Amino acid sequence: GAGVSQSPRYKVAKRGQDVALRCDPISGHVSLFWYQQALGQGPEFLTYFQNEAQLDKSGLPSDRFFAERPEGSVSTLKIQRTQQEDSAVYLCASSLADRGSDTQYFGPGTRLTVL
Amino acid sequence: KNQVEQSPQSLIILEGKNCTLQCNYTVSPFSNLRWYKQDTGRGPVSLTIMTFSENTKSNGRYTATLDADTKQSSLHITASQLSDSASYICVVSARGRGYSSASKIIFGSGTRLSIRP
Repeated sequence: GAGVSQSPRYKVAKRGQDVALRCDPISGHVSLFWYQQALGQGPEFLTYFQNEAQLDKSGLPSDRFFAERPEGSVSTLKIQRTQQEDSAVYLCASSLADRGSDTQYFGPGTRLTVL
Repeated sequence: KNQVEQSPQSLIILEGKNCTLQCNYTVSPFSNLRWYKQDTGRGPVSLTIMTFSENTKSNGRYTATLDADTKQSSLHITASQLSDSASYICVVSARGRGYSSASKIIFGSGTRLSIRP
């Protein structure tokens, strides 16, 4: 595809449910990032992959959050036992090479609402 | 602590007017600074990127400036259009060591710009 895609675009979960958010990066992009964006705030870094390797997960807020990119392309962010404070937009971004110097291309995000 | 502060938080201007958005940062060691535009319900889109040696860069009606000494950047929008209504996010990257510097990409909270006809 032409850009980064994410699915679902909207997700409503009951507190305690597990959710899985999918990101399809731009084909050939090495780096993949997940961000959490609260309403009216800038994105906050969650985790980073270089190909299939998760090189930085320092931004994951708790052990309920788990991300994987097993084949170095599609990535899934999983949130277990969702809490109301998990409600946010989850953005995925990819870049061609090294994330510090490369432009990141963002997907449209998944808006998660936990009731 | 690495921080990026943007001002104003929100701004309303009339169509056709110019405006300037501000970004102050304390990220160190500095690598680059980007301005992103984020339309409602969409992901951010890169507008400009500047490294330490660059002090101005233009992209159409958008002009970004960087003063690395005072650690300030601005985004100037000329002859605003209704489609400029969006959040503008300043993002500063620090030079990291090895791989694990993804967390050294610091996003500001953004300035919400509304253009009125």
